[in-house]
Amino acid sequence: AQSVTQPDIHITVSEGASLELRCNYSYGATPYLFWYVQSPGQGLQLLLKYFSGDTLVQGIKGFEAEFKRSQSSFNLRKPSVHWSDAAEYFCAVVQDDTGGFKTIFGAGTRLFVKA
Amino acid sequence: EAGVAQSPRYKIIEKRQSVAFWCNPISGHATLYWYQQILGQGPKLLIQFQNNGVVDDSQLPKDRFSAERLKGVDSTLKIQPAKLEDSAVYLCASSRPGAGNEKLFFGSGTQLSVL
Repeated sequence: AQSVTQPDIHITVSEGASLELRCNYSYGATPYLFWYVQSPGQGLQLLLKYFSGDTLVQGIKGFEAEFKRSQSSFNLRKPSVHWSDAAEYFCAVVQDDTGGFKTIFGAGTRLFVKA
Repeated sequence: EAGVAQSPRYKIIEKRQSVAFWCNPISGHATLYWYQQILGQGPKLLIQFQNNGVVDDSQLPKDRFSAERLKGVDSTLKIQPAKLEDSAVYLCASSRPGAGNEKLFFGSGTQLSVL
């Protein structure tokens, strides 16, 4: 079965600083990979996704992620963090199972932004 | 487009009581998901519907949880009887049928507290 690991439970960055959130996955073939963001009291919202082509994908709110097959990673980056980016971030991989596709989420990384 | 609607927003019950959650997906979305999100963890898939048929319910505790999707639109998730460990946010999501790279649209969730 596929799995997703987010090594950092929480990260604190200063406003204006750069950000990188780590994600590692296990899957034999080329995966479908996603990053979602969850603000307090809200459902999850898609930031970006990768399923083929260019390994550097751009998302909403200035986020980008790079797929590195050799490292089984799909890290999320942002060059300059804003206070409104404080939220929980989930990496996800789609598992191609009998009967259909199933999205598997990592445990999440909570981002704190300090002034 | 209107988003995924869930109700109630919050629910507090005592253990051994029953509870039901309701979800209305985005119009035209054939696939509907129920996820359980325990505090500090990523969402865990409980059940996945394709129209009104079950695609995956392998992680649904069937001795106490049940779900249905009548007419392939709205869905209800029921817990009877509830246990303390069922305290979590229950998220409903929907997606268009696709090749596995379709994003999930989430509702705001129902926060359940079992006392």
